[in-house]
Amino acid sequence: NAGVMQNPRHLVRRRGQEARLRCSPMKGHSHVYWYRQLPEEGLKFMVYLQKENIIDESGMPKERFSAEFPKEGPSILRIQQVVRGDSAAYFCASSPKSPGVGEQYFGPGTRLTVT
Amino acid sequence: AQSVTQLDSQVPVFEEAPVELRCNYSSSVSVYLFWYVQYPNQGLQLLLKYLSGSTLVKGINGFEAEFNKSQTSFHLRKPSVHISDTAEYFCAVSDPSGAGGGNKLTFGTGTQLKVEL
Repeated sequence: NAGVMQNPRHLVRRRGQEARLRCSPMKGHSHVYWYRQLPEEGLKFMVYLQKENIIDESGMPKERFSAEFPKEGPSILRIQQVVRGDSAAYFCASSPKSPGVGEQYFGPGTRLTVT
Repeated sequence: AQSVTQLDSQVPVFEEAPVELRCNYSSSVSVYLFWYVQYPNQGLQLLLKYLSGSTLVKGINGFEAEFNKSQTSFHLRKPSVHISDTAEYFCAVSDPSGAGGGNKLTFGTGTQLKVEL
């Protein structure tokens, strides 16, 4: 049973470009969470999605950031017009259809570098 | 708002020695508490969690943690560490009444445990 997959593992973008980060949850999981880890900081919650629904996006920056989890395919975190401050590790986690508390399984992360 | 403080950014310890990683939280409501471990280039793995009941929680790999409500702490302990325990450890808290039923986690900044021979 494959774990949570994230790709790419490393992504380099120039300022002003777009970054697309993908997350494939574990088989049978229909809940996805995105977290961002800035250098020297802990992980910060960004958004919680179920298939075709955004449940909680209270941690998402108001501009340039969006997330989706379509009926088919991976969840996508999209960052438009990236800036140097977006450089961070972005982690995705998934949980089962009826998640028990704390049953989040994390992917290995995507490390975004903005030059 | 909730917050988590891990005062020790790094903890060096010799193999087979005991270790305690400290975690304090602030919250005005009841909380769920978690410890995660992150090995290099990997995602976070749940070590243990406290939801309710016994304040002493046992997790994987011989780790345990004790919930102390009066001190708002959830320190992680292991009586005898191994080289393979070298990793980064994150304490996290969630609000049971929040969106996602307690699955929205607030993390501390992490403690790097380095086990030496």
